[in-house]
Amino acid sequence: EVQLVESGGGLVQPGRSLRLSCAASGFTFDDYGMHWVRQVPGKGLEWVSGISWNSCDIGYADSVKGRFTISRDNAKNSLYMQMNSLRPEDTAFYYCAKVKRSGWYSLLVDYWGQGTLVTVSS
Amino acid sequence: DIQMTQSPSSLSASVGDRVTITCQASQDINNYLNWYQQKPGKAPKLLIYDASDLETGVPSRFSGSGSGTDFTFTITSLQPEDIATYYCQQSDNLPWTFGQGTKVEIK
Repeated sequence: EVQLVESGGGLVQPGRSLRLSCAASGFTFDDYGMHWVRQVPGKGLEWVSGISWNSCDIGYADSVKGRFTISRDNAKNSLYMQMNSLRPEDTAFYYCAKVKRSGWYSLLVDYWGQGTLVTVSS
Repeated sequence: DIQMTQSPSSLSASVGDRVTITCQASQDINNYLNWYQQKPGKAPKLLIYDASDLETGVPSRFSGSGSGTDFTFTITSLQPEDIATYYCQQSDNLPWTFGQGTKVEIK
């Protein structure tokens, strides 16, 4: 059974940093691209960042480029998001997401984590 | 960026009704169009990918069609468990983008 478990969310002051983690199990992690998608409570979905299986392809939404860094550790079956210079508008649920097709990078998600809430406020 | 325009933003229908949601892309997305269902407090769930392919395990009352820039999502017979918000999403070009969502309610 595929499981994606996010952690690391919480309340943080504007300008500070946070690191999200996603622990993956139930599939061959290093065969699949992974993404972070966020959702402001009560609002729509927004793609944040994605990384290919071998970390060769990485992309960011303009809203986080230069502030967020995605990475993965295939030996630990884990995905990460380092979030720096956080802003109130970064407040959202952050979902870890697995790409459906092995070897692909584009955002077609067949499994999602349960989400972790990041709140940026003073 | 490719803009995804979804309509309507909400709808109310009776159990057994046919429900249709449309999604228009601002440019040709080569049928790389996906539909997700999100129930309150839950993560999204993939229903349709590549415009018309039904994800494994998804009931056949859900379907998708369309090509190029214009796409349609249909529930042939609305069930109480289908109450959710539905999102289209293009996977053709970075940055990957979603429609604004359609909230489906029971009349």
